[in-house]
Amino acid sequence: AQTVTQSQPEMSVQEAETVTLSCTYDTSESNYYLFWYKQPPSRQMILVIRQEAYKQQNATENRFSVNFQKAAKSFSLKISDSQLGDTAMYFCAFMKQGVYNNNDMRFGAGTRLTVKP
Amino acid sequence: DTGVSQDPRHKITKRGQNVTFRCDPISEHNRLYWYRQTLGQGPEFLTYFQNEAQLEKSRLLSDRFSAERPKGSFSTLEIQRTEQGDSAMYLCASSWGVQETQYFGPGTRLLVL
Repeated sequence: AQTVTQSQPEMSVQEAETVTLSCTYDTSESNYYLFWYKQPPSRQMILVIRQEAYKQQNATENRFSVNFQKAAKSFSLKISDSQLGDTAMYFCAFMKQGVYNNNDMRFGAGTRLTVKP
Repeated sequence: DTGVSQDPRHKITKRGQNVTFRCDPISEHNRLYWYRQTLGQGPEFLTYFQNEAQLEKSRLLSDRFSAERPKGSFSTLEIQRTEQGDSAMYLCASSWGVQETQYFGPGTRLLVL
């Protein structure tokens, strides 16, 4: 079974600074996808970034980038130039690859990020 | 395209009552997922549909839970004889197909008294 671990329940960062959220996972699969989702207070969950395990290049989306270490089963999220609107719960998620898999996602417990002015 | 919608957004019920939630996925998304999220935790998978077929159910989905997607469009999740342990946020997500990114709705927050 796949498990996802986020070891930082809470983090804070000053506006305009950089912060890194950690995520590790356990799987015997070779091919899979990893995601970071953001859930602002009382708002719906939105996708931040997605990484295909077969790609060596780390995914980036504007101020958001990941450090994907497949051998170490590590998938950290770096937020540059933090903004007040980045305040949210951040969830790391794993999804198996393959058309015959149900593609349900396994989520970590989340990291609550607060951006301070 | 207005995204995934869920109704109601909040539901308070007494133990033992039945409740039903609705999810409208993004149009043309053929996969629809239900998750449950308890306070301080990440979402946990409950079940999913491909078109109108329910293809997988988690062991979390007891006999009191049933889900349908009658015409491959919207879906309903019913909980019979609710228990206090059912109190949670119920999230719906949809995707265009296999291995595609899932897009989440705002959730239905259930409180069982």
